[in-house]
Amino acid sequence: GGIITQTPKFLIGQEGQKLTLKCQQNFNHDTMYWYRQDSGKGLRLIYYSITENDLQKGDLSEGYDASREKKSSFSLTVTSAQKNEMAVFLCASSWGNNYAEQFFGPGTRLTVL
Amino acid sequence: GDSVTQTEGQVALSEEDFLTIHCNYSASGYPALFWYVQYPGEGPQFLFRASRDKEKGSSRGFEATYDKGTTSFHLRKASVQESDSAVYYCALALGTNAYKVIFGKGTHLHVLP
Repeated sequence: GGIITQTPKFLIGQEGQKLTLKCQQNFNHDTMYWYRQDSGKGLRLIYYSITENDLQKGDLSEGYDASREKKSSFSLTVTSAQKNEMAVFLCASSWGNNYAEQFFGPGTRLTVL
Repeated sequence: GDSVTQTEGQVALSEEDFLTIHCNYSASGYPALFWYVQYPGEGPQFLFRASRDKEKGSSRGFEATYDKGTTSFHLRKASVQESDSAVYYCALALGTNAYKVIFGKGTHLHVLP
């Protein structure tokens, strides 16, 4: 089996700050995803990547950048954190396309003061 | 646009009760349908998938049948346990975008002992 690791588990930032979230997977999966989870709103796709150095925007990409420099890692940057923003950011990976099961990490909880 | 609707935000049951969580979808094509479960403090976990009309998916005592006529994929379990308390997400994947999965807003199941 494999595992997805997300760091940090909790991230507290100031308004306007640039913040980076990291994700590592050892499944050797090609595809990786970043989702934002807000209470009552489900999971919304921010970015995905189908291979190393590939980046594709999801529905919620504004205000975020992503980076996939290695197959095993996928980073997400909040370019300018918004005050009172609180959400959980989930990283996931899968073998191939969207018909495949996705494996999720435990999440990073972001709080902006 | 394509979407998933889960009508119940919260469901409260007693142990051994029968569970139904409703999921309806709207899609321009012929989607694959999924159920995921998320326990507190963890990322979502894949439960099962169905890809064609009348196909039944099942896992851990949960099941759902793909119904193209009513555009539904309702989750059912005959006898719930306290350990089933979690958030359940219905999701769809379309071939028109090979990597995107659309999630519903989730249904929080509380099972009382």
